[in-house]
Amino acid sequence: GQQVMQIPQYQHVQEGEDFTTYCNSSTTLSNIQWYKQRPGGHPVFLIQLVKSGEVKKQKRLTFQFGEAKKNSSLHITATQTTDVGTYFCAGPRGSQGNLIFGKGTKLSVKP
Amino acid sequence: DSGVTQTPKHLITATGQRVTLRCSPRSGDLSVYWYQQSLDQGLQFLIQYYNGEERAKGNILERFSAQQFPDLHSELNLSSLELGDSALYFCASAVWGDTDTQYFGPGTRLTVL
Repeated sequence: GQQVMQIPQYQHVQEGEDFTTYCNSSTTLSNIQWYKQRPGGHPVFLIQLVKSGEVKKQKRLTFQFGEAKKNSSLHITATQTTDVGTYFCAGPRGSQGNLIFGKGTKLSVKP
Repeated sequence: DSGVTQTPKHLITATGQRVTLRCSPRSGDLSVYWYQQSLDQGLQFLIQYYNGEERAKGNILERFSAQQFPDLHSELNLSSLELGDSALYFCASAVWGDTDTQYFGPGTRLTVL
């Protein structure tokens, strides 16, 4: 069945280092969404990408949607302790009309 | 604050019991989704309702059921509880459904002893 995979599962960085998480879908996606879940919190929507090759920035976060619309990445420049959490990507689940989430990348930042 | 409310926040119960989790979506949202998140696990989609009707089913056990009421709030019923059902249960809502942005509630942490 349709799968959305994320790597790495865990990432530990020193504050100030960059961080990237990758999301790969087994099928072409019409769009991809990114969510962040802080420790003890709930997932919060970050952004949606729709166009092939689209790049969007939110301050230190850069989101990219692949040309083939099957992969995406989230890059954080100069991580801060406030970036700690789990980052999920999500894409439309076939014809069902809901989202399939990746397993997430858990980011920890050492001050 | 996402505007989605879930009650209770915490629930501790025993194996074999039945519990009901409640979710109120954001004002105006017609779709409600239920997810299960076990320790260090991703979000397992359980079920989706749209305007009172079941829209999609995920990995929901037969012991679990849900419904969405006319006022659009939703309840997730978990019965014959097992230790492995201990998890965080999130409700999310969206305006229409499909691939809309989902707004998550704070979750209900269920502990089965």
